[in-house]
Amino acid sequence: KQEVTQIPAALSVPEGENLVLNCSFTDSAIYNLQWFRQDPGKGLTSLLLIQSSQREQTSGRLNASLDKSSGRSTLYIAASQPGDSATYLCAVLLNYGGSQGNLIFGKGTKLSVKP
Amino acid sequence: EPEVTQTPSHQVTQMGQEVILRCVPISNHLYFYWYRQILGQKVEFLVSFYNNEISEKSEIFDDQFSVERPDGSNFTLKIRSTKLEDSAMYFCASSEDESFGSPLHFGNGTRLTVT
Repeated sequence: KQEVTQIPAALSVPEGENLVLNCSFTDSAIYNLQWFRQDPGKGLTSLLLIQSSQREQTSGRLNASLDKSSGRSTLYIAASQPGDSATYLCAVLLNYGGSQGNLIFGKGTKLSVKP
Repeated sequence: EPEVTQTPSHQVTQMGQEVILRCVPISNHLYFYWYRQILGQKVEFLVSFYNNEISEKSEIFDDQFSVERPDGSNFTLKIRSTKLEDSAMYFCASSEDESFGSPLHFGNGTRLTVT
């Protein structure tokens, strides 16, 4: 059974720091991996999607990497800002021929960026 | 930017009552999903829906749950007889097509409280 783990559970950094959020998964047979942002009381905003054949994706100050063989992904945030404060969720889509929507989520990393 | 909208934002109901949670997916999307998040826990997949039928469902999605697309725009989740443990945030999501590179777009959720 696929398990997704995110470390650390919470992270507090001063504004301007570069930081890395970690995600690990137990079954390397995935189609893709997505990183989401969740603000308190809000829905999930898709940040980056990495296909299983890709190594990384970039969007602005965000860079996500994927090492499928070792079951790891990282989300790198450059020059963090207070507006980056949120919970960041990692989710994988299993490669078993089912629908594309059965994402397995981690519990998230709650990021706080202090001004 | 088009978005998934959910109503109501908060629903309080008594145990044993029926509730219907409503969602308007992004207009050109073809795949629709419901997820839930119990307070403090991971986001969990409930069901996916395509071409007016369920394409996949999880163990959580038992006979008490049903989904429907009553017209060209709405997508609903019905819980027939609510239990205390159904209290959670329910998220609707949609995606554009069946390719595994298509990200899911989530709504802001409906917080269901069963008393």
